[in-house]
Amino acid sequence: DVKVTQSSRYLVKRTGEKVFLECVQDMDHENMFWYRQDPGLGLRLIYFSYDVKMKEKGDIPEGYSVSREKKERFSLILESASTNQTSMYLCASSNNSPLHFGNGTRLTVT
Amino acid sequence: AQKITQTQPGMFVQEKEAVTLDCTYDTSDQSYGLFWYKQPSSGEMIFLIYQGSYDEQNATEGRYSLNFQKARKSANLVISASQLGDSAMYFCAMREAISWGKLQFGAGTQVVVTP
Repeated sequence: DVKVTQSSRYLVKRTGEKVFLECVQDMDHENMFWYRQDPGLGLRLIYFSYDVKMKEKGDIPEGYSVSREKKERFSLILESASTNQTSMYLCASSNNSPLHFGNGTRLTVT
Repeated sequence: AQKITQTQPGMFVQEKEAVTLDCTYDTSDQSYGLFWYKQPSSGEMIFLIYQGSYDEQNATEGRYSLNFQKARKSANLVISASQLGDSAMYFCAMREAISWGKLQFGAGTQVVVTP
């Protein structure tokens, strides 16, 4: 079974902090994705990557950046966290199959 | 523009009854795929069923079936014989042909199954 692991289940950070959300997958998938989930809005794509060191903006990239130095790892970076980035963050991977998701990181920015 | 529309924010269904969750989509691609995911209160996203745009038959997976009406651009999920464990948020999603595999999701429908 594909395993997508997100390093933290819950995070609390202060406004202005730099925040790293880590995601690792163990199935050699080419594609990796970061979504945020908010009530009434579903899942919205922040960034995705189709290869090492490659990245593409999704629908809501403002305030975020990403890093993919190794195929199995895709990091989401909040350069200066703000309260409107309080959300559930979901990482996923695939090889054009159904996306396989991690369990999510619930981030609270105070 | 919203590409996936789920018009039912929430619904109650009695155990053992069938329930239909609505999903309409918007695309100009001829080749695309439609997915349904389940998210229980634990938060994990569970893949349920997939329908390709060229598939002639409606997809089925156990108690899940997808009512695919291409001309209407709708891909409704039918859950037969509901169980208490079916209580969850359900998301419809679409992957367009040239999209690096990314999915676009609807807002979701919260289903509560009552005894």
